[in-house]
Amino acid sequence: QKEVEQDPGPLSVPEGAIVSLNCTYSNSAFQYFMWYRQYSRKGPELLMYTYSSGNKEDGRFTAQVDKSSKYISLFIRDSQPSDSATYLCAMTTGGSQGNLIFGKGTKLSVKP
Amino acid sequence: GAVVSQHPSRVICKSGTSVKIECRSLDFQATTMFWYRQFPKQSLMLMATSNEGSKATYEQGVEKDKFLINHASLTLSTLTVTSAHPEDSSFYICSARDQTGRQETQYFGPGTRLLVL
Repeated sequence: QKEVEQDPGPLSVPEGAIVSLNCTYSNSAFQYFMWYRQYSRKGPELLMYTYSSGNKEDGRFTAQVDKSSKYISLFIRDSQPSDSATYLCAMTTGGSQGNLIFGKGTKLSVKP
Repeated sequence: GAVVSQHPSRVICKSGTSVKIECRSLDFQATTMFWYRQFPKQSLMLMATSNEGSKATYEQGVEKDKFLINHASLTLSTLTVTSAHPEDSSFYICSARDQTGRQETQYFGPGTRLLVL
């Protein structure tokens, strides 16, 4: 079993839809959870960062972490064509020794 | 936010040649930089961790003699792919961690696309 599982998609939605992106993981020691957005042929850009369980909201984006289920989600409200990108989840145990472990990324396409 | 640059953004080379990729933190000092490789439709895979002034730490399966990493200053790390072969063609991305030292505060460069003919 891989440490982080993420459905690669592709996921296609109409403009204005609510998008739900998810990752599961196996390592219960992960404490920090991130979502990155990666446009084609570009480096990842940090979108959301959450410590431990709970929700975090930033504009149209909401990140949820359920450590008991080892499940994290990113919700995008009122999706826009500019949201079309690959979304990568990443997580780490934290501190100076824990490396970032990435999911494969989900490719999202928002159609006008 | 913190900015990390990479140069070149794209490089095409002949098999057997060496290619150097630079990673710079532009507005902060990075004691640690990371080099990742990303194949099409795959996740980012950590290749090595580079600490300023010391030898890089390579992940299992990454040949240290093939992927030479130098981190000579707090703002610059270089990755040299020696004797490149077509199977080395990939998207190479660096990231830099600021001096808070937390893994979660990594800032990524825009990536370098390497094509070996």
